[in-house]
Amino acid sequence: KAGVTQTPRYLIKTRGQQVTLSCSPISGHRSVSWYQQTPGQGLQFLFEYFSETQRNKGNFPGRFSGRQFSNSRSEMNVSTLELGDSALYLCASSSQPGQASVGGGYTFGSGTRLTVV
Amino acid sequence: GENVEQHPSTLSVQEGDSAVIKCTYSDSASNYFPWYKQELGKGPQLIIDIRSNVGEKKDQRIAVTLNKTAKHFSLHITETQPEDSAVYFCAASRNYKLSFGAGTTVTVRA
Repeated sequence: KAGVTQTPRYLIKTRGQQVTLSCSPISGHRSVSWYQQTPGQGLQFLFEYFSETQRNKGNFPGRFSGRQFSNSRSEMNVSTLELGDSALYLCASSSQPGQASVGGGYTFGSGTRLTVV
Repeated sequence: GENVEQHPSTLSVQEGDSAVIKCTYSDSASNYFPWYKQELGKGPQLIIDIRSNVGEKKDQRIAVTLNKTAKHFSLHITETQPEDSAVYFCAASRNYKLSFGAGTTVTVRA
């Protein structure tokens, strides 16, 4: 059974550019969540999608957006990149929204390492 | 919102010794507390979890304890092995939202 697949693994962008990251969840999982991981900050929740609808959103500026397709694959977009956006972006899938918060946990991908220069 | 503090940020232990990581949470309504392990180059993986109606849970060499009154929970790893070297994250959940601690980097010395 394939795991959560995130592409690309590494990305270098320049300030002011925009970037799109992709996540394919485990087959059968319909909920996809995105997290930003930076040293000392842990994992900060960005948003969660289920059935192509955003179910939850964290405290990030509007430059961070996402979407989910009918096949459950999800993308997140960051516009007008800033140096502080450099981070590991993790995608996690679960069969139902909020499931990871009550039991069973997330299955995380290996992440996309974004560096903004 | 929920605030989860995790200590220590780094922990170095001799192989075979025990490791303890402690977390505190702010929201008394939090009711689910998972622990994740992240190895280098990989995403976090759930290793153990505990619900608010349970005080302790064990799974082989790892155990988690929860003190609801004090609002803190701990991860205990006994007989540490080199493969236990990783970053460990605690988390607390309320209303279907998970809040993570900042992580503890555990290094097991041979």
